Amino acid sequence: GAGVSQSPSNKVTEKGKDVELRCDPISGHTALYWYRQSLGQGLEFLIYFQGNSAPDKSGLPSDRFSAERTGGSVSTLTIQRTQQEDSAVYLCASSLAGANEQYFGPGTRLTVT
Amino acid sequence: GQNIDQPTEMTATEGAIVQINCTYQTSGFNGLFWYQQHAGEAPTFLSYNVLDGLEEKGRFSSFLSRSKGYSYLLLKELQMKDSASYLCAVRDPFYNQGGKLIFGQGTELSVKP
Repeated sequence: GAGVSQSPSNKVTEKGKDVELRCDPISGHTALYWYRQSLGQGLEFLIYFQGNSAPDKSGLPSDRFSAERTGGSVSTLTIQRTQQEDSAVYLCASSLAGANEQYFGPGTRLTVT
Repeated sequence: GQNIDQPTEMTATEGAIVQINCTYQTSGFNGLFWYQQHAGEAPTFLSYNVLDGLEEKGRFSSFLSRSKGYSYLLLKELQMKDSASYLCAVRDPFYNQGGKLIFGQGTELSVKP
């Protein structure tokens, strides 16, 4: 079956612009996670959705970052007024409720110039 | 807070055995994961340990000691394709199910002929 998909795969944007990153989880997966991976760094948690609600937003680094999930499926991560330090690979993962394994998408590589 | 330590890089020879260690300090414990990540690709799940002991899955085994806050991933009969980054992660102990993963920085393994 189809895995987690993310779009775009690459995004180059100018400092100060807004960007939207999309994640399509595996069908039926109620849990959805956003992480980011900066060069030479480990994966850093951003936000966790269970259905359409976000019980854990503790990893969002500033109020420029927001995310939503609609219909218990697709999620969008929005970064407003992008900064160079936002450059990273943004990874989305999904899992079945109560399951241990999180399945990761291929990521979106964001470059802020 | 949560802290996860693993070596930054390791080198091993094709056909050999390598052990990648991971130590963690967390306020609680709700499972430890190992993921494999090839360059430019999504992390893929390797193993999950929640009880002490060794879990074996083909050429890969993972060990956990909760009292020592210690895990290792053992790779046998190394192949060139095993060259990748190996990520140790613990699940946020706040959640009984689901919840974010807290990752170490990853161990870059290079397998030489």
